[in-house]
Amino acid sequence: KAGVTQTPRYLIKTRGQQVTLSCSPISGHRSVSWYQQTPGQGLQFLFEYFSETQRNKGNFPGRFSGRQFSNSRSEMNVSTLELGDSALYLCASSPGTDSYNEQFFGPGTRLTVL
Amino acid sequence: ILNVEQSPQSLHVQEGDSTNFTCSFPSSNFYALHWYRWETAKSPEALFVMTLNGDEKKKGRISATLNTKEGYSYLYIKGSQPEDSATYLCACPLPSGGSYIPTFGRGTSLIVHP
Repeated sequence: KAGVTQTPRYLIKTRGQQVTLSCSPISGHRSVSWYQQTPGQGLQFLFEYFSETQRNKGNFPGRFSGRQFSNSRSEMNVSTLELGDSALYLCASSPGTDSYNEQFFGPGTRLTVL
Repeated sequence: ILNVEQSPQSLHVQEGDSTNFTCSFPSSNFYALHWYRWETAKSPEALFVMTLNGDEKKKGRISATLNTKEGYSYLYIKGSQPEDSATYLCACPLPSGGSYIPTFGRGTSLIVHP
């Protein structure tokens, strides 16, 4: 069974631009969560989608948004990029309807904002 | 405790040593606790999901215990090997803004010297 895939793996953007990251979950998994990992803050929850609906949301500004498609693939968008958005963005998929099931993580997208 | 905390922050041991580290979390409204292993340049990998007070889980040389009444979990590694070198994360859903969001500790970085 293929694992969680994320594209692109690396991205360099400048302040003010916007970026879209993509995540393909494990086949059959309907829940996709997004996390931001920075050295200063550790791993922080952005949001979770289940069956194309946002089921849960962390404490991030509205510049961070996401969506999920009918095939469970998910995208995350960050608008008006700031230097502080430089981070590793991880997505994780889960098979169950419970928000707190075991999660399977992708390799991440490393975003650098200049 | 209002957050998920892990100690120690880092640990250096010799091959063959046994070691353990701690995850502390708010004892009220406990739902579940997850342990993950995150090796450098790889994705976080789920180790255990623990839900019941007194739970003990084991996978090979790694085991974990859970005390929900006092709000802590221990992860034990018996006979550490260099391949055990990784950051070990724990996570709990914690209340935030009317819902529960997955909240990660900062992790314990384990380095096993041959």
